Formats: sequence, C-alpha cells, structure tokens
Amino acid sequence: GAGVSQSPRYKVAKRGQDVALRCDPISGHVSLFWYQQALGQGPEFLTYFQNEAQLDKSGLPSDRFFAERPEGSVSTLKIQRTQQEDSAVYLCASSTRQGDTEAFFGQGTRLTVV
Amino acid sequence: GQNIDQPTEMTATEGAIVQINCTYQTSGFNGLFWYQQHAGEAPTFLSYNVLDGLEEKGRFSSFLSRSKGYSYLLLKELQMKDSASYLCAVSSSSGGSYIPTFGRGTSLIVHP
Repeated sequence: GAGVSQSPRYKVAKRGQDVALRCDPISGHVSLFWYQQALGQGPEFLTYFQNEAQLDKSGLPSDRFFAERPEGSVSTLKIQRTQQEDSAVYLCASSTRQGDTEAFFGQGTRLTVV
Repeated sequence: GQNIDQPTEMTATEGAIVQINCTYQTSGFNGLFWYQQHAGEAPTFLSYNVLDGLEEKGRFSSFLSRSKGYSYLLLKELQMKDSASYLCAVSSSSGGSYIPTFGRGTSLIVHP
C-alpha cells in the first residue's frame, strides 16, 4: 500500500485481556515508531525500531507492553493484562531514516479497555 | 528529558493570519517538526526546521530560533479546513537515535 497501515482500527478489550496491534510501515522505511495518544493530548513516544533492532524502548509504560519487528518490516505492539489506563489511540509511524526526516503516520488503533 | 510547551487552544477568523508558538528545552537538538492532525485522523507532516530562520511553504511558514528554544507556525489566509490540532515535535538524540517528541498540541478553531 501507499501509506502506513494499522490494524485493527478499533479494539475493545476486557480488563485483563491481552491485545496485539499491528503496523505495516511504508515499504523500505528503515525507522518505525510507536506512540500512544490520549484524548486531547499529543502523541507520547513508546518505542523505536531501526530495521529489526529495537533501539529505544524507554517510553513503554510498563513491562506489560512489548513490541517487535522481527523481519524489519511489520511491527506488533502487544499489551498484556490490559488496564483501563491503557485506553488510548496507538499510532505507528515510519520514516526513511532516523528522526530527522518526515515521519508518515498510520490512522492508529483506538483501544478501549472496559 | 524534554519540555515542549505550546498553547492549548487558539481561535481565529477565516481569511486571517494566526501564529502558533512552541518553546522547548532539550539536549542533543536535531530539528523541529510541525504536524497537523484533524480529529480522529493521523498527524500529517507540515514542516521541518533544523537551521535558524523562516521556511515558507505556501500558506504555511515555520520559524526556528535554536538559541531561544523557540519556533512558530504561521498560517495565512485561514480556511475553515485549517481547524485542527497543530503538533510541535522536537527531534533529539537518545542513545544514538533521534526520536521526535511531541508537545500536547494546539487546537485551532477557525470561525467564519
């Protein structure tokens, strides 16, 4: 596809359930970022990949959050034992290089934990 | 850590000019981005400044002063469709990587 694709667009999870969010970056993009965006706030950095290497995961809020990009393309953000405070939009972005070039964002996954 | 500050909300009239300010404090500065985000949609890139000065792109211009830790986004000839959130993001080094960190965004309301 032409842009960054995320799935699912919407996810409702019961508290305690595990979820997996998928990101298909633009083909050939080396850098991939995950952000969490609460309503009315700016995106908060979660983690960064350069190809398959996770170079920065300092923004992951707890050890319940895990991200991978095993082949340097598709990435998955997994949240275990979801809590209500995990409710947010999860945005994925990719770029040709590190954070000194335009990043292209996906539409995001809106996660609601009930 | 980083501190990025921008106004929460601004209003302006169709056809007018509006300036959205962003101040930041960071180490390892590597550039500043502006993104536009309509409600329920993905952020879209507007501009990137790495050197001091003004970058003009159509109705939108962005200014950077690295010594002052200050940037602004200038929107001219406002249109109703410009109503959106405008996100300031600072790229800085983190363990050898450059990570864009976003401010909370400025919600711009354009009225007739």
